[in-house]
Amino acid sequence: TQLLEQSPQFLSIQEGENLTVYCNSSSVFSSLQWYRQEPGEGPVLLVTVVTGGEVKKLKRLTFQFGDARKDSSLHITAAQPGDTGLYLCAGDFNFGNEKLTFGTGTRLTIIP
Amino acid sequence: KAGVTQTPRYLIKTRGQQVTLSCSPISGHRSVSWYQQTPGQGLQFLFEYFSETQRNKGNFPGRFSGRQFSNSRSEMNVSTLELGDSALYLCASSLSAGTSGIYEQYFGPGTRLTVT
Repeated sequence: TQLLEQSPQFLSIQEGENLTVYCNSSSVFSSLQWYRQEPGEGPVLLVTVVTGGEVKKLKRLTFQFGDARKDSSLHITAAQPGDTGLYLCAGDFNFGNEKLTFGTGTRLTIIP
Repeated sequence: KAGVTQTPRYLIKTRGQQVTLSCSPISGHRSVSWYQQTPGQGLQFLFEYFSETQRNKGNFPGRFSGRQFSNSRSEMNVSTLELGDSALYLCASSLSAGTSGIYEQYFGPGTRLTVT
């Protein structure tokens, strides 16, 4: 059974600070997605990474895929209250079976 | 292009009853997945349908079932409801990964089910 562990589970920081959340597995992903979910809504896709070592930027968010494609990180620069939410990573382990495994989530709170 | 829609958004049922939830995927998407989300267990995969066939299934009891219609719309049914079935039920649609190998899911807003 493939597992996706996210850390930290909870994070509360002041507006303007930087932060990094992590997504780790013992298995190789064919691709990995990051989602953000706000209370009472469905997760919204932020980015997909596919190639080992890949780095993608979305405004103040930087996503990195590990060289071995077993881990990923999300770095937020100068966090804002609008970044508050549940961040989920999801990996496709099955190389064609088209099934995502979701991580345990990081609940981020940005304090104004 | 319209997103994934789910109906109803909120539902209150009594133990022992059954419930049917509906999901309309993004136009052109043929894969529909269902998830249960609770504070304690996170996002748990229920099942996935592609072209009217169940292609993947999670570890849920047989009280949870689903189907997909020829227009890709999907329904899930929960029979003999239990208190522990209270959760946010999410539907996600996707295109087939095809030759790109990239499989992305787009979620609806969810149906909040409360069992009393």
